[in-house]
Amino acid sequence: EAGVTQFPSHSVIEKGQTVTLRCDPISGHDNLYWYRRVMGKEIKFLLHFVKESKQDESGMPNNRFLAERTGGTYSTLKVQPAELEDSGVYFCASSQEGTGNTGELFFGEGSRLTVL
Amino acid sequence: LAKTTQPISMDSYEGQEVNITCSHNNIATNDYITWYQQFPSQGPRFIIQGYKTKVTNEVASLFIPADRKSSTLSLPRVSLSDTAVYYCLVGDGKAGTALIFGKGTTLSVSS
Repeated sequence: EAGVTQFPSHSVIEKGQTVTLRCDPISGHDNLYWYRRVMGKEIKFLLHFVKESKQDESGMPNNRFLAERTGGTYSTLKVQPAELEDSGVYFCASSQEGTGNTGELFFGEGSRLTVL
Repeated sequence: LAKTTQPISMDSYEGQEVNITCSHNNIATNDYITWYQQFPSQGPRFIIQGYKTKVTNEVASLFIPADRKSSTLSLPRVSLSDTAVYYCLVGDGKAGTALIFGKGTTLSVSS
């Protein structure tokens, strides 16, 4: 079974440009999360989808960030326009719904964003 | 969500047992304690979860005292490949709950 996949693995853009990160969760996982870690800081929660609906977007830093999950499958996170402080690693994770499980999150390997 | 406190770093040698303790004084009744491991350039990976007493799996053991205000992750006979960052998280343990990460403990294993 494929794990959580993220694309691209690394993106280098200039300040003011737009970047779109993609996450494909594990098939059948209704919950999808975005996290990021900027240089030297902790991994921070950004938002949580349940299927196509945004369950919690309290961690989104500002309106330059737009996350979508049309159809409840893959998700995209767009940064427009990108700023220097947006540089970091963006992680996507997914989990199953239902009772009796640990709530384990399965993480992708991350998309490293470098804004110059 | 309950805040957690862990040592920033730990050093060990191959073959030793490593115990990483996490404090979570404000843990709620419904909260579980979960540990994740992260290698460089990878996403965090679930290790173990527990509510009270002791939990053991093929990778680690988790010891939780009766007051649940702390927990200890025990890694038996570590190897070089166990060098990673270990995160202690506290939450209701249910699917659909976002995890809040702290700074984690960087474990360095030497030969």
